[in-house]
Amino acid sequence: GQNIDQPTEMTATEGAIVQINCTYQTSGFNGLFWYQQHAGEAPTFLSYNVLDGLEEKGRFSSFLSRSKGYSYLLLKELQMKDSASYLCAVKTGANNLFFGTGTRLTVIP
Amino acid sequence: GAGVSQSPSNKVTEKGKDVELRCDPISGHTALYWYRQSLGQGLEFLIYFQGNSAPDKSGLPSDRFSAERTGGSVSTLTIQRTQQEDSAVYLCASSLAGTLYNEQFFGPGTRLTVL
Repeated sequence: GQNIDQPTEMTATEGAIVQINCTYQTSGFNGLFWYQQHAGEAPTFLSYNVLDGLEEKGRFSSFLSRSKGYSYLLLKELQMKDSASYLCAVKTGANNLFFGTGTRLTVIP
Repeated sequence: GAGVSQSPSNKVTEKGKDVELRCDPISGHTALYWYRQSLGQGLEFLIYFQGNSAPDKSGLPSDRFSAERTGGSVSTLTIQRTQQEDSAVYLCASSLAGTLYNEQFFGPGTRLTVL
């Protein structure tokens, strides 16, 4: 079967750093995506990892370890607008994305 | 268009009625996906189109659900004899298929409420 685990909720302080973890067990692996979804809005793409290691993009970085079935999203210099749900998704086949239930991040002043 | 659009944005229907949801993908995107997001749940894959054909229908929850795509563009998701458990946000996404990294761009969704 397919399974993706993420913490349900996290809270962090404005200006701080937060790490959102994702572990997965899937029947196939063609890459891992992170999406951001503000309440009532569509998910928007943040990052993509297919090889092990860290991908950095501005304040956001994403890490992948395929042998451990593990990824994390690192958000630096948190801003209030970063309050959103963060969705981990694994590309299990040629095109299909299997999503986790998401982590709701609340940034407090 | 500039992005993926979906209509209607909200749909309230009575149990047993049929509903039709529409998705207009980004111009030139050959791949189109339908997902369902129930309250507090992750995105649930429903169906994938490459052009007008649907090579992967594995996520459709029952035979009450069907989808079609015409002209390699607009897609409609039809739910027949709606049930209360069909209440969810239905999201459409499109991408440039054919590459390993084919980022999916999502529409704003249609919120379906079945009374």
